[in-house]
Amino acid sequence: DAKTTQPPSMDCAEGRAANLPCNHSTISGNEYVYWYRQIHSQGPQYIIHGLKNNETNEMASLIITEDRKSSTLILPHATLRDTAVYYCIVRAYNNNDMRFGAGTRLTVKP
Amino acid sequence: NAGVTQTPKFQVLKTGQSMTLQCAQDMNHEYMSWYRQDPGMGLRLIHYSVGAGITDQGEVPNGYNVSRSTTEDFPLRLLSAAPSQTSVYFCASRRGRAVQETQYFGPGTRLLVL
Repeated sequence: DAKTTQPPSMDCAEGRAANLPCNHSTISGNEYVYWYRQIHSQGPQYIIHGLKNNETNEMASLIITEDRKSSTLILPHATLRDTAVYYCIVRAYNNNDMRFGAGTRLTVKP
Repeated sequence: NAGVTQTPKFQVLKTGQSMTLQCAQDMNHEYMSWYRQDPGMGLRLIHYSVGAGITDQGEVPNGYNVSRSTTEDFPLRLLSAAPSQTSVYFCASRRGRAVQETQYFGPGTRLLVL
């Protein structure tokens, strides 16, 4: 699986959009980009995933660059409850595991 | 349904003791896996299973055994606990092979080995 690079920490004001970047320059054509988050040592929670098109669900939007070497997770209106560690994971088809890096610690401030 | 459940929530062991961490899922998922998370770090895969009777090693398998006799259960055994195994352990499951399948995690077991 391709490696990912994320900033170790970010802050965001409550009510503003949180934009979390992820670099995955060695991604290959059959690998998907997944985002999970972990709130205060709970089990990781799935957010969104995509291959090459931008994706949106009730939690977030995922923007993948045209060359697929980077992506951005967007939380449109961050709340205090979105404070968590966010993991960007690149995973290949039929791959049996998910490799988590250190992630980005997002702190949403009032 | 309950999703992925883990027991116990907390455990303290002495060096050399053995124990089994339990994991169960009621979603009829084929894939199950065990991760450990050390303080300030991401999750690392210990073992995984692609179906009943089939298991394989992940990134950090040493010191741990697994078996998968049923679809629902995937216990993790520590044969002789060591302080280096102090960690939070997460069990996860997903429905099948396709990469689009979402992985669901349990609440974790916090283990302290003295």
